[in-house]
Amino acid sequence: EDKVVQSPLSLVVHEGDTVTLNCSYEVTNFRSLLWYKQEKKAPTFLFMLTSSGIEKKSGRLSSILDKKELFSILNITATQTGDSAVYLCAALFGAGSYQLTFGKGTKLSVIP
Amino acid sequence: NAGVTQTPKFQVLKTGQSMTLQCAQDMNHEYMSWYRQDPGMGLRLIHYSVGAGITDQGEVPNGYNVSRSTTEDFPLRLLSAAPSQTSVYFCASREWGQRILNTEAFFGQGTRLTVV
Repeated sequence: EDKVVQSPLSLVVHEGDTVTLNCSYEVTNFRSLLWYKQEKKAPTFLFMLTSSGIEKKSGRLSSILDKKELFSILNITATQTGDSAVYLCAALFGAGSYQLTFGKGTKLSVIP
Repeated sequence: NAGVTQTPKFQVLKTGQSMTLQCAQDMNHEYMSWYRQDPGMGLRLIHYSVGAGITDQGEVPNGYNVSRSTTEDFPLRLLSAAPSQTSVYFCASREWGQRILNTEAFFGQGTRLTVV
């Protein structure tokens, strides 16, 4: 069965800390991995990763994909309270009929 | 830009009632889908459509019906609501075909449904 597993499921850190969120996947015909941030409403897109070893960066957030080991990480440096959210990763897979399967999410809480 | 619009935002139903959750997108996306999100379960795919007149089941389709008569609209029908369908429902749309490999899914703001 195709699946996406995120760890940890929840995390509490202090402002200024650096965090690493993990996402492993086991799907057939993998196409890309996507990261979303969800703050009590619709998920908002962060990154799409299709190639191994190429880091994508947006401000304090960065992400990288390892297609050999089948995982991705999302790094957040110098965390702020506004980073508190659920971070979702999803794997796009398939051949002709593409599916997007989500992990259960990592709930990040950043305390002052 | 409206993007993906869902209505209503909140709904309370009694067991056995039926209702339709509305979803509309203005990005001319061929692919539309419905997810439900329950605590600790992530987003699970209910139904999806790759174009007008074409729908298919996702991971958790039981108790739900969909139809796609236009590119813009993809309503989700609950035929006879049950407490197990209490959840937050998200509609999403994205490009289809080869373009899907380079674009993300866009989500509506969600519908919080409670079945009592």
